[in-house]
Amino acid sequence: DAKTTQPPSMDCAEGRAANLPCNHSTISGNEYVYWYRQIHSQGPQYIIHGLKNNETNEMASLIITEDRKSSTLILPHATLRDTAVYYCIVRAPTSGTYKYIFGTGTRLKVLA
Amino acid sequence: NAGVTQTPKFQVLKTGQSMTLQCAQDMNHEYMSWYRQDPGMGLRLIHYSVGAGITDQGEVPNGYNVSRSTTEDFPLRLLSAAPSQTSVYFCASSPARIIGGNTIYFGEGSWLTVV
Repeated sequence: DAKTTQPPSMDCAEGRAANLPCNHSTISGNEYVYWYRQIHSQGPQYIIHGLKNNETNEMASLIITEDRKSSTLILPHATLRDTAVYYCIVRAPTSGTYKYIFGTGTRLKVLA
Repeated sequence: NAGVTQTPKFQVLKTGQSMTLQCAQDMNHEYMSWYRQDPGMGLRLIHYSVGAGITDQGEVPNGYNVSRSTTEDFPLRLLSAAPSQTSVYFCASSPARIIGGNTIYFGEGSWLTVV
């Protein structure tokens, strides 16, 4: 199964862009990259996903390298409410079915 | 549309007791799963299911049983609770189709303490 590697923690100044990296060097050609975040002990919240092309929505942008071995989640103007744990996951095919494996994520702290 | 509903939200068990965490979704999703999250840790997959009658083990299945008799429900059973199973449990669901990618919907969590 493709695994992801993320830095355990990052700080970002309020109003600045937060760039969260993720390494997924063993990703397969048909696997999507997903980003979720978890605020306090709530259920994780979907942010964005992509396959090959860069993606943007109202919450964030996702930049995937051409070889797809890494990606970066960009929060363009971080606010204090963006303080959370961010998870990068790949949808892992196994035996014809699919399961989502979460790692330990990156704890982002947005500083006032 | 209630999404993913978990019950109970809080539970205290004594060592050796058994209990069932309930999970229901009303989105007709084929895929359902259970995760546990220990303090300061990420989510670890316990069991998952891609449809009624089909279940499979995740990363940490020991001590837990699941069944999927309907599309809507995916209960998680603790057979003989141990203090190591003190955790927050999240149920999740998703369409199983992968064309275009699909997102996961999470429940609000069930806080379980085993004493």
